[in-house]
Amino acid sequence: AQSVTQLDSHVSVSEGTPVLLRCNYSSSYSPSLFWYVQHPNKGLQLLLKYTSAATLVKGINGFEAEFKKSETSFHLTKPSAHMSDAAEYFCVVSDRVRAGGFKTIFGAGTRLFVKA
Amino acid sequence: DTEVTQTPKHLVMGMTNKKSLKCEQHMGHRAMYWYKQKAKKPPELMFVYSYEKLSINESVPSRFSPECPNSSLLNLHLHALQPEDSALYLCASSPGQGGGTEAFFGQGTRLTVV
Repeated sequence: AQSVTQLDSHVSVSEGTPVLLRCNYSSSYSPSLFWYVQHPNKGLQLLLKYTSAATLVKGINGFEAEFKKSETSFHLTKPSAHMSDAAEYFCVVSDRVRAGGFKTIFGAGTRLFVKA
Repeated sequence: DTEVTQTPKHLVMGMTNKKSLKCEQHMGHRAMYWYKQKAKKPPELMFVYSYEKLSINESVPSRFSPECPNSSLLNLHLHALQPEDSALYLCASSPGQGGGTEAFFGQGTRLTVV
């Protein structure tokens, strides 16, 4: 069965320091993995996605994530946080289901705080 | 045009009212979705339309009624809602319903039921 676990409900960093948002998943097949960002009262914006190509995925706004199959992880990183990065981040897995088709599962979200 | 447009942005309705949420995309996407999002929670899938046909209904109460008039439009008709239905309603679209395709989200409609 598919599942997504975001290991931290809140992460707080200082502006200019690195960001690490952790995500672990379980999947029966070969999943596609996504990170989305949501600013307050806004829709979700895709940061990056992994779909079985390169394991290190670069996204928008300086974010990147590495797919590690052995660790079933897809952690999101950024070398230097900016105040505008403060938002909610969702790790999402999409995978085949036994009955056919795909199922998309959202993690619970990680709220990123950036201190000046 | 890479936008999903939702109207209205805010909606306050009484429990006896009938209202509709609207969603539009012009990216040629063939899958469209309705999600409900409560505060501090991830979005929950409500409905999926694929090629203008309802393909997934996640056991949503009948007071929510989706409609897909054409490949660019998606509506959510609301009737006799309860205060607990107050939430951010998000529309999304994707090129197909396959697992590797990302969804494009609208800004949402903030619904308050009084």
